Amino acid sequence: LAKTTQPISMDSYEGQEVNITCSHNNIATNDYITWYQQFPSQGPRFIIQGYKTKVTNEVASLFIPADRKSSTLSLPRVSLSDTAVYYCLVGFSGGYQKVTFGTGTKLQVIP
Amino acid sequence: GAGVSQSPRYKVAKRGQDVALRCDPISGHVSLFWYQQALGQGPEFLTYFQNEAQLDKSGLPSDRFFAERPEGSVSTLKIQRTQQEDSAVYLCASSSPGAAKETQYFGPGTRLLVL
Repeated sequence: LAKTTQPISMDSYEGQEVNITCSHNNIATNDYITWYQQFPSQGPRFIIQGYKTKVTNEVASLFIPADRKSSTLSLPRVSLSDTAVYYCLVGFSGGYQKVTFGTGTKLQVIP
Repeated sequence: GAGVSQSPRYKVAKRGQDVALRCDPISGHVSLFWYQQALGQGPEFLTYFQNEAQLDKSGLPSDRFFAERPEGSVSTLKIQRTQQEDSAVYLCASSSPGAAKETQYFGPGTRLLVL
């Protein structure tokens, strides 16, 4: 399983764009990159997944450089409700694989 | 159903007591996962089911932990002779494997406190 490294915490003001970078130097060829969001007292919630280049959905964008050794989750114009822990996961998609969550990045949005 | 549900949401047990935690996955989801989440940490994998078959139980911390999914839908995680170190949130997730990405959908978790 590819190990991921991400900042422990980040602060941002409301309305700003937030970028959270995750390092995954030993990512395998078949591995996808997935980000989850977790609020207190809730289970993690899928945000976005990608393999290369850029993926965008209604919630976030995911930027993956050509070497795929890192990825950046971009949250546009954050609000207080985006305060949560964000997890970067790397693993094979298309079948079962045990995933490792790590400690995640705790994002605090400030009014 | 609308999502993964878990019961009870909170459980207080005396040390040595047995507990059973229930997970109702999304209808039709083949895969089911159990995780343990300690305070301030990310979820840690416990076990995985594909339908009724338990294909991976490598994350179960001891033989006091037992999980089952007899009919391939509802699953129960049982902890025997609970210890204080078992205090954590237990999360259940389900997914539907296919050609596309296997996203896991999580329940709200059961918070277990062992006194």
